[in-house]
Amino acid sequence: KAGVTQTPRYLIKTRGQQVTLSCSPISGHRSVSWYQQTPGQGLQFLFEYFSETQRNKGNFPGRFSGRQFSNSRSEMNVSTLELGDSALYLCASSLWGVLNTEAFFGQGTRLTVV
Amino acid sequence: DAKTTQPPSMDCAEGRAANLPCNHSTISGNEYVYWYRQIHSQGPQYIIHGLKNNETNEMASLIITEDRKSSTLILPHATLRDTAVYYCIVRVVTSGSRLTFGEGTQLTVNP
Repeated sequence: KAGVTQTPRYLIKTRGQQVTLSCSPISGHRSVSWYQQTPGQGLQFLFEYFSETQRNKGNFPGRFSGRQFSNSRSEMNVSTLELGDSALYLCASSLWGVLNTEAFFGQGTRLTVV
Repeated sequence: DAKTTQPPSMDCAEGRAANLPCNHSTISGNEYVYWYRQIHSQGPQYIIHGLKNNETNEMASLIITEDRKSSTLILPHATLRDTAVYYCIVRVVTSGSRLTFGEGTQLTVNP
């Protein structure tokens, strides 16, 4: 079956702009989480969505937001981009609520803010 | 989620077993041990998980001590493609796809 698909793979934006990243989970998976990975901070949890509702949120400013659609696809938006937002953004999907399940990650979107 | 401690780096010869340790002394009774790895610039990949019994799959074996305060991931015959950062994560299974990543162990498999 198809894996987690993230688009676009690479993105270059200018400071102050906004950006929207997309994630299509594995078919049947209803939980989607987003992560930011930087050399200095490592992999950090942004937020998780399940059935179009945000379930968990990490410690990121309000400039980072997301949503999930009825087909479980998710988008992440970052407004007023800063240089420090340059990172690899990863999305993961899982069968939330089912015991002993693992999260499957996409290849990520590499965002560069200049 | 409980905190984990892993060595920052390890080396292994190709074809030999790689044994990656993880300490999780504050693990709770309902927390599982998960292992993921991340090959450079790719998304993390699930390897294996367990509660208290040893587990084995096509990729690796997971050995959890009886007191559950530590575990070891074993790659029985390491190849160059196993060079990656390995993350040991302790989590409650109902926490969806939220994972708390630590620093992990950079495993380098040498020819």
